[in-house]
Amino acid sequence: AQKITQTQPGMFVQEKEAVTLDCTYDTSDPSYGLFWYKQPSSGEMIFLIYQGSYDQQNATEGRYSLNFQKARKSANLVISASQLGDSAMYFCAMRGLEGNNRLAFGKGNQVVVIP
Amino acid sequence: NAGVTQTPKFRVLKTGQSMTLLCAQDMNHEYMYWYRQDPGMGLRLIHYSVGEGTTAKGEVPDGYNVSRLKKQNFLLGLESAAPSQTSVYFCASSSPAGGLNSPLHFGNGTRLTVT
Repeated sequence: AQKITQTQPGMFVQEKEAVTLDCTYDTSDPSYGLFWYKQPSSGEMIFLIYQGSYDQQNATEGRYSLNFQKARKSANLVISASQLGDSAMYFCAMRGLEGNNRLAFGKGNQVVVIP
Repeated sequence: NAGVTQTPKFRVLKTGQSMTLLCAQDMNHEYMYWYRQDPGMGLRLIHYSVGEGTTAKGEVPDGYNVSRLKKQNFLLGLESAAPSQTSVYFCASSSPAGGLNSPLHFGNGTRLTVT
């Protein structure tokens, strides 16, 4: 069965510094997709970045990049040059055929950016 | 530019009452989902639909029913509300066109309290 693990406690990061959020996953699918979502205190779920299991290069979207290590089954999110608006919960999620193409979420990482 | 719209935004029910949450999307997406979010639990899938007239159970379906009579709408029903159903409910939709790399687009959530 698909499983997403996010175990870091809440994190404080200084404004303008980088932060890395850990995500490990477990699946027997040869092909799957990995996603990161941001949930600010206002509650909405915002899609940030996607990585396909067969992608050769790590995904990047602006200040967001994904450190994908397939053999270790990890897909860590890196946020560079943190801003106050980055304070939020961040969820890692996975989608694969094993889960009937449904998106399964981890429990999230809390990030607080301090000035 | 509505995307995914959920109604209502907030609701308080008494134990045993029934209600229906409405989700509407204007992106012509085939797939629609209902998730619940509880503190420390991430998002858990309740039911989903891969097309008009079809529904399937997710991870936590007990106590809920759904219907997808029109492609753009996905209804979540609680026949006899219980305090354990106090949660934030999110609807989401996605297109099958991109396969595993299609992100889910989320509504803003419905905060339900059952007393």
